[in-house]
Amino acid sequence: AQSVTQLDSQVPVFEEAPVELRCNYSSSVSVYLFWYVQYPNQGLQLLLKYLSGSTLVKSINGFEAEFNKSQTSFHLRKPSVHISDTAEYFCAVPSGGSYIPTFGRGTSLIVHP
Amino acid sequence: ETGVTQTPRHLVMGMTNKKSLKCEQHLGHNAMYWYKQSAKKPLELMFVYNFKEQTENNSVPSRFSPECPNSSHLFLHLHTLQPEDSALYLCASSQDTDSYEQYFGPGTRLTVT
Repeated sequence: AQSVTQLDSQVPVFEEAPVELRCNYSSSVSVYLFWYVQYPNQGLQLLLKYLSGSTLVKSINGFEAEFNKSQTSFHLRKPSVHISDTAEYFCAVPSGGSYIPTFGRGTSLIVHP
Repeated sequence: ETGVTQTPRHLVMGMTNKKSLKCEQHLGHNAMYWYKQSAKKPLELMFVYNFKEQTENNSVPSRFSPECPNSSHLFLHLHTLQPEDSALYLCASSQDTDSYEQYFGPGTRLTVT
C-alpha cells in the first residue's frame, strides 16, 4: 500500500518568510501526489496535485511543490507566507487500487505577524 | 447552497443516545465518503459509496451505520458511542471513485460524554 509521511507536525514562521512543509512517500509504482489544505473550521480543499509531466506544480495562491523521484519527496514551498496561510496542510497519495487518497498526519502551519 | 454541506456542525451526545449526521452535496457527484479526523492522527476513511452502493467499510464498529438514499445525500447514524469516538467527522464527494479530487464539507464536531 502507498503511504505518505509528514515529518513536521507544526511549523511556526513569521509573515513574509519562506516556508517548506515536508512530505515523503513510499511507492514502487506510478505516483500521483496531492496537497490538501484545511483552514480553521473548514473541510479540506485540494491545493495542488502531481499526476505526470512537469515535476514542479503550482497553486493559484503562490504555493508550489516539486516531485522528486530520487528522494521520494513532494515538499510544499512558498517563498513568502501571509497570515491567511495559517492552516493544516495534508499530503496525500491514492491508496492501492483506487484513487481514494490516503492522507498524512498533517502539518500545522502557523504564521505569526 | 453550493458544494458539500454537513449538519449539524456541532453535536454533543451521551453514550446511550442515538443521533444522525447528515451530508448533502450539490455538485452532481456519484461518490460520497465519511472520514473521521482525530487530533494528531491521519484522516481515517470510514465508508465509501459509489452510485449509492457501499464499496468500502474500513473495519468501522457497528455503532456507526451509514446510509446513502441517493447520490446527493449521505447519513451517518450513531448509537451507543464511546468517548473515544469524539472527533471531527468529515463528509466528502467526488465525481466517482476513479476521480482523484475530493470535495469536503466543513465537518461535524462530535463530543461523546
